[in-house]
Amino acid sequence: EDQVTQSPEALRLQEGESSSLNCSYTVSGLRGLFWYRQDPGKGPEFLFTLYSAGEEKEKERLKATLTKKESFLHITAPKPEDSATYLCAVQADEGSYIPTFGRGTSLIVHP
Amino acid sequence: GAVVSQHPSWVICKSGTSVKIECRSLDFQATTMFWYRQFPKQSLMLMATSNEGSKATYEQGVEKDKFLINHASLTLSTLTVTSAHPEDSSFYICLGDSGHEQYFGPGTRLTVT
Repeated sequence: EDQVTQSPEALRLQEGESSSLNCSYTVSGLRGLFWYRQDPGKGPEFLFTLYSAGEEKEKERLKATLTKKESFLHITAPKPEDSATYLCAVQADEGSYIPTFGRGTSLIVHP
Repeated sequence: GAVVSQHPSWVICKSGTSVKIECRSLDFQATTMFWYRQFPKQSLMLMATSNEGSKATYEQGVEKDKFLINHASLTLSTLTVTSAHPEDSSFYICLGDSGHEQYFGPGTRLTVT
């Protein structure tokens, strides 16, 4: 059974204080690992898809990396507008392709 | 770029009535649509998976006669909540998957009074 565990559950940072969110996963064969950002009352917003170990992707202050067991979402010099819940999901490369989601990390960045 | 639109964004209905939620994929073809429900401060709960032109597959505990899903085309999938009750009040979100890309709809806030 595919599993995704995100840590920490909640993270409070000061503006400019860089940190990383973790997504540990187990899947029979990885089709893709997805990162999303979700603001309260809204649908998740797509950030990145990673397909193979060693892959990295960047977007503004965010950088996602992938190994065979986990992914990190690095946030460099965060701003208050980066406050949101960040979701990680994996999709196996066989079967019904149902994405398995973690519970998310709630990030609050204080000015 | 590719996006999934969802309508309505919020709806209030009386107990016993039915509500239809539409998800349309724009600039990409969603061969699969996943339907999720999310309660406040909780993670996404998969309700069903639908593939274009075939019947939806429902997760355990989700009543297929209550939550009717139609995926008639590569760009449109609908979820109808029939005979809604207050406990059906939730945030409903669709996720379109083309096999290469995945995009969420913005969600529908359903309140049943």
